[in-house]
This record gives sequence, C-alpha cells and structure tokens, in this order.
Amino acid sequence: GAGVSQSPSNKVTEKGKDVELRCDPISGHTALYWYRQSLGQGLEFLIYFQGNSAPDKSGLPSDRFSAERTGGSVSTLTIQRTQQEDSAVYLCASSWAPNQPQHFGDGTRLSIL
Amino acid sequence: GQQVMQIPQYQHVQEGEDFTTYCNSSTTLSNIQWYKQRPGGHPVFLIQLVKSGEVKKQKRLTFQFGEAKKNSSLHITATQTTDVGTYFCAGSGSNDYKLSFGAGTTVTVRA
Repeated sequence: GAGVSQSPSNKVTEKGKDVELRCDPISGHTALYWYRQSLGQGLEFLIYFQGNSAPDKSGLPSDRFSAERTGGSVSTLTIQRTQQEDSAVYLCASSWAPNQPQHFGDGTRLSIL
Repeated sequence: GQQVMQIPQYQHVQEGEDFTTYCNSSTTLSNIQWYKQRPGGHPVFLIQLVKSGEVKKQKRLTFQFGEAKKNSSLHITATQTTDVGTYFCAGSGSNDYKLSFGAGTTVTVRA
C-alpha cells in the first residue's frame, strides 16, 4: 500500500494475556518508530529501528514489552502479561531516514479489560 | 537528547481570529517539524524547517524557525473549524536519530 499499515485496528483483551501488534511501513523506509498515545496525551516514544536493528529501546516501559523487525520491513510489538495501564493507542511511523518526516499509521487501539 | 516544550497546551479560538503556538528546545536543533492530529486520527506531517530564520507558509499557516534554531512557531490566520486538532512540533539534533515531540497544542474553534 501507499501508507503505513497497522493491524489490528482495535484489540480488546483480558488482563494477563499477550498481544502482538503489527506495522507494515512504507516500502523503502529504513527507519521505523513505535509510539504510545494515551487519551488526550502526547506521543510517548517506545522504540526505534534502523533496518532490522533497534539501537534505542530506551522507551520500552518494562520488560513485558518487546519488538522486532524482519527483512527491514514489517515490525511487531509484543506486550506480554498485559496490564490495564497498557491500554492506549499504539502508533507506528516510518521515514526514509532518521530525523526525516515521519508517516504514521492509523494506530492500534488496545483495551485491556 | 532533545527536550522540546510546547505552549500553550490548549487554545480556544473564535472562528476568524488568529493564534500562535510556540515550541522551544533546550538545545540547538538541526531541523524542526510540525504535525497535525485531527480528533480520532493520527499525526500527519505538515512541514519541515531546517534553516536559521526560515519562514514557510501553507495557505493560512505560517511556520517560523528561530535564528538560534532553538525555537519555532506556528501562526494560523482567520481560524476555521477545519483547523481543529492537536498541533505537535518535533525537533532533532544533528546527531539524533529520533524526533523529540512536544506535548502538543490542542485547538478548539468557536463558531
């Protein structure tokens, strides 16, 4: 597709379950970013990928959060043993190079019951 | 890393009036970008400024980068209901790989 694609668009799950969020960036974009946005709040940086490498994982809130990127393209963000405070919109963005304009997906709205 | 502060947090504007939102960094930036997020939507890139003192216009929107490359502003003239949303600035230093986003200015418009 022409833009950044994220799936699922909505995810409702029970506390304690694991969830996997997917991001398909714009073709050719080497930089990929994950953010978290709570209702009415700003963008919280989670992790950055350059190619398949993640030089900066400093934004991951806890060791329950992990992410990977394969083939320099698709990325998955995994949250293990979900907690209610994990409820938020998870946004993925890609850019053709670091520091360049980022193109965001529509996000995954995650609700933990 | 960079720390980007944005004010005001909220801006309530009468339709037809002008307003300005400001962005300030603790350190010199190599570039600054502005994004707009409509209610229920995702951030959309508006513009990038890279030169000291640069001014760019998009219809009723005027973007400025400070001479010291530590601050920026977005000025909207004759506000319309279509301007509703949250405006984020985001900056990076020359050796940074990521953008530091401001907290955003949420704009509401009274018709």
